[in-house]
Amino acid sequence: KNEVEQSPQNLTAQEGEFITINCSYSVGISALHWLQQHPGGGIVSLFMLSSGKKKHGRLIATINIQEKHSSLHITASHPRDSAVYICAVDPNTGNQFYFGTGTSLTVIP
Amino acid sequence: DTGVSQDPRHKITKRGQNVTFRCDPISEHNRLYWYRQTLGQGPEFLTYFQNEAQLEKSRLLSDRFSAERPKGSFSTLEIQRTEQGDSAMYLCASQTGGGGTEAFFGQGTRLTVV
Repeated sequence: KNEVEQSPQNLTAQEGEFITINCSYSVGISALHWLQQHPGGGIVSLFMLSSGKKKHGRLIATINIQEKHSSLHITASHPRDSAVYICAVDPNTGNQFYFGTGTSLTVIP
Repeated sequence: DTGVSQDPRHKITKRGQNVTFRCDPISEHNRLYWYRQTLGQGPEFLTYFQNEAQLEKSRLLSDRFSAERPKGSFSTLEIQRTEQGDSAMYLCASQTGGGGTEAFFGQGTRLTVV
């Protein structure tokens, strides 16, 4: 059983398209993280959310705590956005994060 | 402070050899985590430290794996008698306090066992 589910698993978009990646989770959480991982690279934290919405440049993250759902949006996508995007939750109990399996995004020029 | 750093970035080793990885967390962060990520999968929890105390270990952490965090600062993860199945990205993360505080991740150490 996966505590965190992401969709889609793979996504190909044309440059300039609006992109949405979804994350659903089944545990109570204190925070949710959106992470970015480039091929062969480590993980970069994009957002930490416990409620509402955050925006950073062309990236927007939203969370609905009642529905246990979060979305990551990329506006005006660019080839440099190509990466794996991972949703991770910081649960209320326990000492570990739970990770989704990631969404592999490819943006074509 | 430049964030969480891991060393080495890449390690290729022969099966049966021992390897050790190092993680330097952000200096004021009490919590330190080790995760393992295989190709196409999300990271899997290995172990967690609160300061120098190792408070939780995953069943994934067989007796060939050992982790330490002396003095509650940097941490090392050692794998003895490496196997090909140990090939993965080993990630370290640190967090300043309890749940809901921001976590920072290292660049990872990619281990290839040949």
